[in-house]
Amino acid sequence: GQNIDQPTEMTATEGAIVQINCTYQTSGFNGLFWYQQHAGEAPTFLSYNVLDGLEEKGRFSSFLSRSKGYSYLLLKELQMKDSASYLCAVRDLGASGTYKYIFGTGTRLKVLA
Amino acid sequence: KAGVTQTPRYLIKTRGQQVTLSCSPISGHRSVSWYQQTPGQGLQFLFEYFSETQRNKGNFPGRFSGRQFSNSRSEMNVSTLELGDSALYLCASSVGGGTGIEKLFFGSGTQLSVL
Repeated sequence: GQNIDQPTEMTATEGAIVQINCTYQTSGFNGLFWYQQHAGEAPTFLSYNVLDGLEEKGRFSSFLSRSKGYSYLLLKELQMKDSASYLCAVRDLGASGTYKYIFGTGTRLKVLA
Repeated sequence: KAGVTQTPRYLIKTRGQQVTLSCSPISGHRSVSWYQQTPGQGLQFLFEYFSETQRNKGNFPGRFSGRQFSNSRSEMNVSTLELGDSALYLCASSVGGGTGIEKLFFGSGTQLSVL
Protein backbone atom coordinates (compact mmCIF):
# COMPACT_ATOMS: atom_id res chain seq x y z
CA GLY A 1 0.00 0.00 0.00
CA GLN A 2 0.90 3.65 0.14
CA ASN A 3 1.95 5.18 3.41
CA ILE A 4 3.89 8.18 4.67
CA ASP A 5 5.00 8.56 8.28
CA GLN A 6 6.40 11.58 10.05
CA PRO A 7 6.44 12.64 13.71
CA THR A 8 3.38 14.52 14.89
CA GLU A 9 5.15 17.22 16.85
CA MET A 10 8.65 18.50 17.59
CA THR A 11 10.02 21.28 19.75
CA ALA A 12 13.33 23.07 19.35
CA THR A 13 15.06 26.21 20.54
CA GLU A 14 15.73 29.34 18.53
CA GLY A 15 19.15 29.15 16.85
CA ALA A 16 19.29 25.35 17.04
CA ILE A 17 19.16 22.71 14.29
CA VAL A 18 16.22 20.35 13.88
CA GLN A 19 15.76 17.31 11.65
CA ILE A 20 12.28 16.18 10.63
CA ASN A 21 12.17 12.61 9.36
CA CYS A 22 9.80 11.09 6.84
CA THR A 23 9.48 7.47 5.80
CA TYR A 24 7.36 6.35 2.90
CA GLN A 25 6.07 3.29 1.09
CA THR A 26 4.79 3.80 -2.45
CA SER A 27 4.80 1.71 -5.57
CA GLY A 28 5.55 4.36 -8.19
CA PHE A 29 7.88 6.87 -6.53
CA ASN A 30 8.51 9.96 -8.62
CA GLY A 31 9.84 12.53 -6.18
CA LEU A 32 9.61 13.65 -2.56
CA PHE A 33 8.48 17.12 -1.61
CA TRP A 34 8.48 19.20 1.56
CA TYR A 35 5.92 21.91 2.19
CA GLN A 36 5.65 24.42 5.03
CA GLN A 37 2.26 25.42 6.39
CA HIS A 38 1.76 28.17 8.94
CA ALA A 39 -1.42 27.98 10.97
CA GLY A 40 -4.39 29.19 8.95
CA GLU A 41 -2.38 29.56 5.78
CA ALA A 42 -1.79 27.64 2.55
CA PRO A 43 1.06 25.14 2.31
CA THR A 44 4.07 26.57 0.47
CA PHE A 45 6.74 24.61 -1.38
CA LEU A 46 10.11 24.22 0.34
CA SER A 47 12.10 21.60 -1.54
CA TYR A 48 12.04 18.42 -3.56
CA ASN A 49 14.31 15.41 -4.10
CA VAL A 50 14.21 13.01 -6.99
CA LEU A 51 17.64 11.44 -6.71
CA ASP A 52 19.43 10.22 -3.59
CA GLY A 53 21.42 12.78 -1.67
CA LEU A 54 21.23 16.16 -0.07
CA GLU A 55 19.66 19.28 -1.57
CA GLU A 56 20.61 22.50 0.19
CA LYS A 57 18.67 25.72 -0.01
CA GLY A 58 19.81 28.36 2.44
CA ARG A 59 18.91 27.36 6.00
CA PHE A 60 16.87 24.40 4.74
CA SER A 61 18.22 21.11 3.38
CA SER A 62 16.43 17.95 2.34
CA PHE A 63 17.85 14.46 2.04
CA LEU A 64 16.54 11.41 0.21
CA SER A 65 17.40 7.71 0.27
CA ARG A 66 15.16 5.90 -2.20
CA SER A 67 16.41 2.45 -1.23
CA LYS A 68 15.42 3.08 2.39
CA GLY A 69 12.22 5.00 1.63
CA TYR A 70 13.50 7.77 3.84
CA SER A 71 13.84 11.52 3.73
CA TYR A 72 14.57 14.26 6.19
CA LEU A 73 14.23 18.03 6.27
CA LEU A 74 17.00 19.84 8.12
CA LEU A 75 16.38 23.33 9.43
CA LYS A 76 19.40 25.28 10.65
CA GLU A 77 19.64 28.46 12.73
CA LEU A 78 16.02 28.14 13.74
CA GLN A 79 13.95 31.29 13.93
CA MET A 80 10.64 31.89 15.63
CA LYS A 81 8.99 32.25 12.23
CA ASP A 82 9.91 28.62 11.48
CA SER A 83 7.15 27.53 13.87
CA ALA A 84 4.80 25.80 11.43
CA SER A 85 3.71 22.40 10.18
CA TYR A 86 6.04 20.63 7.76
CA LEU A 87 4.39 18.30 5.27
CA CYS A 88 6.20 15.45 3.56
CA ALA A 89 4.65 14.43 0.25
CA VAL A 90 5.45 11.80 -2.36
CA ARG A 91 4.57 12.11 -6.02
CA ASP A 92 3.43 8.66 -7.03
CA LEU A 93 2.79 7.13 -10.43
CA GLY A 94 -0.34 5.07 -10.08
CA ALA A 95 -1.53 2.03 -11.98
CA SER A 96 -3.59 4.30 -14.22
CA GLY A 97 -0.39 5.90 -15.50
CA THR A 98 -1.11 9.26 -13.87
CA TYR A 99 0.59 10.98 -10.98
CA LYS A 100 -0.82 12.01 -7.66
CA TYR A 101 0.64 13.45 -4.48
CA ILE A 102 0.36 11.57 -1.21
CA PHE A 103 0.86 13.67 1.91
CA GLY A 104 1.91 12.73 5.40
CA THR A 105 -0.08 14.10 8.31
CA GLY A 106 2.54 16.78 8.93
CA THR A 107 4.98 17.57 11.72
CA ARG A 108 4.09 20.55 13.89
CA LEU A 109 7.31 22.32 14.85
CA LYS A 110 7.38 24.72 17.79
CA VAL A 111 10.39 26.99 18.10
CA LEU A 112 10.95 28.30 21.61
CA ALA A 113 12.84 31.45 22.52
CA LYS B 1 1.32 36.70 -11.36
CA ALA B 2 -1.73 36.14 -9.19
CA GLY B 3 -1.72 33.07 -6.97
CA VAL B 4 -4.34 30.38 -6.59
CA THR B 5 -7.64 31.89 -5.52
CA GLN B 6 -10.28 29.99 -3.60
CA THR B 7 -13.73 31.23 -2.74
CA PRO B 8 -15.42 31.47 -0.37
CA ARG B 9 -12.90 31.59 2.49
CA TYR B 10 -15.41 30.37 5.08
CA LEU B 11 -18.70 28.48 4.82
CA ILE B 12 -21.19 27.31 7.39
CA LYS B 13 -23.76 24.76 6.31
CA THR B 14 -26.14 22.32 7.97
CA ARG B 15 -26.34 18.58 7.53
CA GLY B 16 -28.05 17.50 4.33
CA GLN B 17 -27.26 20.66 2.41
CA GLN B 18 -24.93 20.83 -0.54
CA VAL B 19 -22.02 23.16 -1.17
CA THR B 20 -19.94 24.34 -4.13
CA LEU B 21 -16.38 25.58 -3.74
CA SER B 22 -14.46 27.45 -6.40
CA CYS B 23 -10.80 27.53 -7.36
CA SER B 24 -9.00 29.73 -9.90
CA PRO B 25 -5.51 28.42 -10.69
CA ILE B 26 -2.41 30.38 -11.53
CA SER B 27 -2.53 31.64 -15.10
CA GLY B 28 -1.08 29.03 -17.43
CA HIS B 29 -1.59 26.14 -15.01
CA ARG B 30 -3.78 23.44 -16.45
CA SER B 31 -3.91 21.01 -13.55
CA VAL B 32 -6.09 21.59 -10.51
CA SER B 33 -6.24 19.17 -7.60
CA TRP B 34 -8.35 19.23 -4.46
CA TYR B 35 -7.48 18.11 -0.95
CA GLN B 36 -9.36 17.79 2.31
CA GLN B 37 -7.35 18.74 5.39
CA THR B 38 -8.37 17.74 8.91
CA PRO B 39 -6.26 17.80 12.10
CA GLY B 40 -6.14 14.04 12.44
CA GLN B 41 -5.85 12.97 8.81
CA GLY B 42 -3.66 15.58 7.22
CA LEU B 43 -4.13 16.30 3.52
CA GLN B 44 -6.29 13.72 1.80
CA PHE B 45 -6.39 13.73 -2.00
CA LEU B 46 -9.86 14.18 -3.50
CA PHE B 47 -9.34 14.46 -7.25
CA GLU B 48 -7.31 16.11 -9.98
CA TYR B 49 -8.49 17.75 -13.18
CA PHE B 50 -6.46 18.45 -16.28
CA SER B 51 -7.86 20.02 -19.44
CA GLU B 52 -11.44 19.62 -18.18
CA THR B 53 -10.99 15.87 -17.54
CA GLN B 54 -10.72 14.11 -14.21
CA ARG B 55 -7.28 12.56 -14.35
CA ASN B 56 -7.12 11.03 -10.89
CA LYS B 57 -9.43 10.33 -7.99
CA GLY B 58 -8.95 9.63 -4.30
CA ASN B 59 -10.98 7.41 -1.99
CA PHE B 60 -13.93 9.65 -1.23
CA PRO B 61 -17.63 8.82 -1.61
CA GLY B 62 -19.58 9.87 -4.67
CA ARG B 63 -21.05 12.82 -2.74
CA PHE B 64 -17.79 14.58 -3.59
CA SER B 65 -17.57 15.65 -7.19
CA GLY B 66 -15.82 18.25 -9.24
CA ARG B 67 -15.37 19.74 -12.65
CA GLN B 68 -13.01 21.94 -14.56
CA PHE B 69 -13.88 24.58 -17.09
CA SER B 70 -12.13 25.53 -20.32
CA ASN B 71 -10.32 28.40 -18.56
CA SER B 72 -8.92 25.84 -16.05
CA ARG B 73 -11.05 27.16 -13.18
CA SER B 74 -12.41 24.33 -11.10
CA GLU B 75 -15.35 23.74 -8.81
CA MET B 76 -15.87 21.11 -6.18
CA ASN B 77 -19.30 20.05 -4.99
CA VAL B 78 -20.29 18.14 -1.88
CA SER B 79 -23.87 16.96 -1.67
CA THR B 80 -25.83 15.76 1.37
CA LEU B 81 -23.34 17.23 3.81
CA GLU B 82 -22.37 15.25 6.90
CA LEU B 83 -20.79 16.50 10.13
CA GLY B 84 -17.57 14.70 9.20
CA ASP B 85 -17.22 16.85 6.08
CA SER B 86 -16.16 19.78 8.26
CA ALA B 87 -12.62 20.50 7.11
CA LEU B 88 -10.33 22.85 5.26
CA TYR B 89 -10.60 22.23 1.52
CA LEU B 90 -7.47 23.14 -0.35
CA CYS B 91 -7.05 23.57 -4.05
CA ALA B 92 -3.65 23.33 -5.72
CA SER B 93 -2.59 24.12 -9.24
CA SER B 94 0.41 23.05 -11.29
CA VAL B 95 1.50 23.34 -14.88
CA GLY B 96 0.22 19.84 -15.51
CA GLY B 97 2.70 18.51 -18.04
CA GLY B 98 2.74 15.20 -16.20
CA THR B 99 6.22 13.80 -16.62
CA GLY B 100 8.52 16.36 -15.05
CA ILE B 101 8.76 17.37 -11.43
CA GLU B 102 5.94 19.76 -10.70
CA LYS B 103 5.47 21.90 -7.64
CA LEU B 104 1.98 22.35 -6.32
CA PHE B 105 0.82 25.88 -5.59
CA PHE B 106 -1.92 25.99 -3.00
CA GLY B 107 -4.75 28.38 -2.39
CA SER B 108 -5.63 29.58 1.12
CA GLY B 109 -8.49 27.12 1.28
CA THR B 110 -12.17 27.13 2.14
CA GLN B 111 -12.95 26.35 5.76
CA LEU B 112 -16.22 24.41 5.75
CA SER B 113 -18.16 23.91 8.96
CA VAL B 114 -21.14 21.56 8.93
CA LEU B 115 -23.56 21.99 11.83
